[in-house]
Amino acid sequence: RKEVEQDPGPFNVPEGATVAFNCTYSNSASQSFFWYRQDCRKEPKLLMSVYSSGNEDGRFTAQLNRASQYISLLIRDSKLSDSATYLCVVNYPGNQFYFGTGTSLTVIP
Amino acid sequence: DTAVSQTPKYLVTQMGNDKSIKCEQNLGHDTMYWYKQDSKKFLKIMFSYNNKELIINETVPNRFSPKSPDKAHLNLHINSLELGDSAVYFCASSQGLAWNTQYFGPGTRLTVL
Repeated sequence: RKEVEQDPGPFNVPEGATVAFNCTYSNSASQSFFWYRQDCRKEPKLLMSVYSSGNEDGRFTAQLNRASQYISLLIRDSKLSDSATYLCVVNYPGNQFYFGTGTSLTVIP
Repeated sequence: DTAVSQTPKYLVTQMGNDKSIKCEQNLGHDTMYWYKQDSKKFLKIMFSYNNKELIINETVPNRFSPKSPDKAHLNLHINSLELGDSAVYFCASSQGLAWNTQYFGPGTRLTVL
């Protein structure tokens, strides 16, 4: 099993839709989790950290499921500007961390 | 007031050449990273320096040599460039180690002909 796995998509959704991505990880000792956003031909930028109890930032909700070893990102009321690739990052013990391959989202007018 | 900057932004060169990419951060961070993002968009860590000390050194060819003259700079030198080195190279920095937010530079698009 890969350290971090994401469905690459693409996810094509209409404006206003709700879309969710999952990211699975293989090391149960992982402690830190993040979602980054990467626009085409740009650098990744932090979207949000993922806290154990789940956290929300506007239309974005991140959740952690330790039992099943995955994190999720939910985007409500999708905007055209949400079109990007979403990368999950998982920290492993020993200063190791891994990026997922990214999930591509296109929001269609 | 760019936080993490890289030069050059684009680099086109012939196989066998030696080239360097420079990275500087003005965030006062103590940890810097180099990543390679290939044509399939997979972002892979190459090196990480904390307080100028190498702490992550993934399996990369020894043609790649990072140099950190101080905490604000992490340069990447590549010898004997090969076609497979073509990719986008991102520099990043964070305060502390990888469990903190990383700030990425704009990337250097390297094309080896």
